[in-house]
Amino acid sequence: DAKTTQPNSMESNEEEPVHLPCNHSTISGTDYIHWYRQLPSQGPEYVIHGLTSNVNNRMASLAIAEDRKSSTLILHRATLRDAAVYYCILRHTPGYNAGNNRKLIWGLGTSLAVNP
Amino acid sequence: DAGVIQSPRHEVTEMGQEVTLRCKPISGHDYLFWYRQTMMRGLELLIYFNNNVPIDDSGMPEDRFSAKMPNASFSTLKIQPSEPRDSAVYFCASSLPGTDTQYFGPGTRLTVL
Repeated sequence: DAKTTQPNSMESNEEEPVHLPCNHSTISGTDYIHWYRQLPSQGPEYVIHGLTSNVNNRMASLAIAEDRKSSTLILHRATLRDAAVYYCILRHTPGYNAGNNRKLIWGLGTSLAVNP
Repeated sequence: DAGVIQSPRHEVTEMGQEVTLRCKPISGHDYLFWYRQTMMRGLELLIYFNNNVPIDDSGMPEDRFSAKMPNASFSTLKIQPSEPRDSAVYFCASSLPGTDTQYFGPGTRLTVL
């Protein structure tokens, strides 16, 4: 299974942009890159996902390297509420037709602290 | 929608007792996932179901763990007998047909003394 590597922790200041990196050098062609985050004492929540192209939504942007071996989650203006553990996850697909495979491979994530 | 509902939110039990964790997925979701989270091992997928049928139970640690999904709106994770090393937060998640996004419940914090 393809793995992801993330820094254990990062720190940011409120209202500044945050770039959270993720390495996935063994990613396969059909692996989607997902980002979730987990606020303190809560279950993980979906942030964004992509395959090859950069993606934007109301929460964040996802920048995917051309060779797909790394990606970056971008929070454009960090708030105190963004303090959480951020997980970069690959969706394991054994083949082109994933069928009913919905397994996500989780790492340990990056703990983001946001300073006021 | 109320989101994924888990009960109980906290469970404290003694070693050797049976523990049953419950999950109600979001209505209309056809996938249900059970996870375990500890400081040492992070978030581990235990088992997941599609349309009430177990698809992958390779993460279930041993025979003491069992999971069922008798209908589309209810699932249980049972540990019998429980051991102190089972202490963790157990999450249930569900997802819509045709999508990968998983919606997590608030979790059950299990402490086995």
